[in-house]
Amino acid sequence: AQSVTQPDIHITVSEGASLELRCNYSYGATPYLFWYVQSPGQGLQLLLKYFSGDTLVQGIKGFEAEFKRSQSSFNLRKPSVHWSDAAEYFCAVAPNTGNQFYFGTGTSLTVIP
Amino acid sequence: DGGITQSPKYLFRKEGQNVTLSCEQNLNHDAMYWYRQDPGQGLRLIYYSQIVNDFQKGDIAEGYSVSREKKESFPLTVTSAQKNPTAFYLCASSRFQGTDTQYFGPGTRLTVL
Repeated sequence: AQSVTQPDIHITVSEGASLELRCNYSYGATPYLFWYVQSPGQGLQLLLKYFSGDTLVQGIKGFEAEFKRSQSSFNLRKPSVHWSDAAEYFCAVAPNTGNQFYFGTGTSLTVIP
Repeated sequence: DGGITQSPKYLFRKEGQNVTLSCEQNLNHDAMYWYRQDPGQGLRLIYYSQIVNDFQKGDIAEGYSVSREKKESFPLTVTSAQKNPTAFYLCASSRFQGTDTQYFGPGTRLTVL
């Protein structure tokens, strides 16, 4: 079955530390890949997306993500986390032969001073 | 500024009542979507529309209805047939259906009393 997995339900990091959020998917071909961020009670904001080409993509707010075809992964990274990065992060996948997005269950990020 | 608006932000409903959630976009997007978000379950697709006067059921359409009479508007009605309607509802739009980036509204929190 097609799926998007975010294995970490909750992550806590110290301000200034590096961050990596994991995302794995299971689809037949390379899909279109997205990361969104959601603050409490708000909608989702697009951080970055991968369609093709360079497998390391840069996004807003200092985030980047790397697509690894061999691992079916699209992990989100940030070198130095700020307190304002505390939020829920969602990975989304759009199969290139499909008609909808599939979302992971999200990773909640807490940033401690 | 272009964007997606949802109203109201909070909505309370008595059991047995139908309620309609509003979604408007001024991005000139053809495709629009409704998602339901529950804690720990990510986003689940309720309905989507590729073009005016056309819409399709998503993964959890039972108990919901939509209309798409104008390009800018995609209202969602939560009917009394929806057994557990308390949730956060998100509307999104994209230039075209399928793999294009989806942009989200701020959401409506529906609570059944």
